[in-house]
Amino acid sequence: EAQVTQNPRYLITVTGKKLTVTCSQNMNHEYMSWYRQDPGLGLRQIYYSMNVEVTDKGDVPEGYKVSRKEKRNFPLILESPSPNQTSLYFCASSSTQSEQYFGPGTRLTVT
Amino acid sequence: QKEVEQDPGPLSVPEGAIVSLNCTYSNSAFQYFMWYRQYSRKGPELLMYTYSSGNKEDGRFTAQVDKSSKYISLFIRDSQPSDSATYLCAMSPLKYSSASKIIFGSGTRLSIRP
Repeated sequence: EAQVTQNPRYLITVTGKKLTVTCSQNMNHEYMSWYRQDPGLGLRQIYYSMNVEVTDKGDVPEGYKVSRKEKRNFPLILESPSPNQTSLYFCASSSTQSEQYFGPGTRLTVT
Repeated sequence: QKEVEQDPGPLSVPEGAIVSLNCTYSNSAFQYFMWYRQYSRKGPELLMYTYSSGNKEDGRFTAQVDKSSKYISLFIRDSQPSDSATYLCAMSPLKYSSASKIIFGSGTRLSIRP
């Protein structure tokens, strides 16, 4: 079954404690992206990747890091989380002109 | 001013009605236009995409783009309770949107009353 998986699905953490949200896809897609979704603001792109070792900033990259060492994985790293990074996060993947598949979402709360 | 504006709703219509969802945008560089549907507690799923002005039809759904007015619409005919969801418009400056920045509208919450 084609899918994008994210872990963890729910996370409550404290300010400044480094965390990583993993994203994995099993469709051999070249393109992967991270988004955050906040009420009234919709989905905002954080980072995207066009292939292994190729990443670029989206609309709201501040406070986030990504890496793409393998085609199937695209982890999102928060080195020093702050309360304004409390949000619902989605990972997505696609190939050229294909439908973009979204993961189930990770709800992050930073206290 | 946001690059993409979308009325958040909520919009409530009776079953069988025609629904019109709209977005306006300010960046004339946008070439690729998409509509996503998001059910509660789920990730968005792509409904339709187009990269030209005019209409594109897929079953009960029609996407319309007017680049001269910077206005896009999604029409749903014969609406069903299963269409109740949040609908997000999205735009990109490149034809192959996956390889570029994508800007989303804030989403319109739609409810179809049986």
